[in-house]
Amino acid sequence: DTGVSQNPRHKITKRGQNVTFRCDPISEHNRLYWYRQTLGQGPEFLTYFQNEAQLEKSRLLSDRFSAERPKGSFSTLEIQRTEQGDSAMYLCASSGSGGPWDTQYFGPGTRLTVL
Amino acid sequence: DAKTTQPPSMDCAEGRAANLPCNHSTISGNEYVYWYRQIHSQGPQYIIHGLKNNETNEMASLIITEDRKSSTLILPHATLRDTAVYYCIVRVARGSQGNLIFGKGTKLSVKP
Repeated sequence: DTGVSQNPRHKITKRGQNVTFRCDPISEHNRLYWYRQTLGQGPEFLTYFQNEAQLEKSRLLSDRFSAERPKGSFSTLEIQRTEQGDSAMYLCASSGSGGPWDTQYFGPGTRLTVL
Repeated sequence: DAKTTQPPSMDCAEGRAANLPCNHSTISGNEYVYWYRQIHSQGPQYIIHGLKNNETNEMASLIITEDRKSSTLILPHATLRDTAVYYCIVRVARGSQGNLIFGKGTKLSVKP
């Protein structure tokens, strides 16, 4: 399968714990996006990488959230000191080199439940 | 805020065409119309996009009005597997940015 993959698919944690999610984009895609989706809502943009550079961050990305893409391939999203309000589906998407056909392709998501 | 307006829900009979409308009256000349769908508990799936001409691919057709203020996604022969939330999104397809702004979409229910 050559699509976007995300791990784990599900994560249950207790409030106050740290969690880390991984996203592997479509190979050779140099753009990678993270979104968050809560129940009944559409996905909301969190942050965006071009290669290893983090170029844009949403105001939703509080200082408890950090994202990295160290070698311009896979990315990780870490949430420190999780809160119940962090419970959501975390989606990753990737896209190619840009231009009019810069379509984003999404992974299956990681569902986080904070107890 | 999302720049599009979609009905919250629609029903369609299996085998019939599903026509999903979208209003985007404030669209700019350099903004494309994208459609994604999301089947329950999965990531959004790209369907189709267009600028001003009508587009067709193996999944659907996209009809954009001449003034570009609205569009319709057409699934020509809906099946039960097409039951999903459909999102209409307008975005500038530039290389330097391009996060998608999702609204609440239209929940399409295909019924036997």
